[in-house]
Amino acid sequence: EAQVTQNPRYLITVTGKKLTVTCSQNMNHEYMSWYRQDPGLGLRQIYYSMNVEVTDKGDVPEGYKVSRKEKRNFPLILESPSPNQTSLYFCATQRELGAHEQFFGPGTRLTVL
Amino acid sequence: SQQGEEDPQALSIQEGENATMNCSYKTSINNLQWYRQNSGRGLVHLILIRSNEREKHSGRLRVTLDTSKKSSSLLITASRAADTASYFCATRSGNTPLVFGKGTRLSVIA
Repeated sequence: EAQVTQNPRYLITVTGKKLTVTCSQNMNHEYMSWYRQDPGLGLRQIYYSMNVEVTDKGDVPEGYKVSRKEKRNFPLILESPSPNQTSLYFCATQRELGAHEQFFGPGTRLTVL
Repeated sequence: SQQGEEDPQALSIQEGENATMNCSYKTSINNLQWYRQNSGRGLVHLILIRSNEREKHSGRLRVTLDTSKKSSSLLITASRAADTASYFCATRSGNTPLVFGKGTRLSVIA
């Protein structure tokens, strides 16, 4: 079954404690992306990757890092989380940048105290 | 850089009625897509309309695109309680990533 998985689904942490949210896809898609969703602000793109070892900043990259060492995985790293990074995070993939449809993961709800 | 802007922000209708949501955008596009999100879950692709198309149908969904007004509408006919969700438009321009609007929250009351 084609899917995008994210882990963890829920996380409560404290300010400054490094964390990683994993994203994995089994569709052999080249393009992967991270979004955060906040009330009243919609989806905002954090980082995206057009292929292995190629990553680019989205609209709100500050405070985040990503890596794309292999095609299927695109982890989101918060080196020193702060309360303003409390949000709902989504990973999404598509076959390639110009492809039509994005496939979304189930989301990770992060709370930073 | 938020491109699409949905209107209204929230919409409440009775089951069986039609629901219309609008999306306006700022720059020229290659295509416009509509997605649906059930509460707190991942978005699901509904339909895509290319810049050279004016109308598209998929089941109970009808999408129109007016490139001269830089706007699109999504019509859901004969709505059901299960259509309750948030609906987002997303635009693609050139070879850039998809850009999502803030969404319309639809409530269908049984």
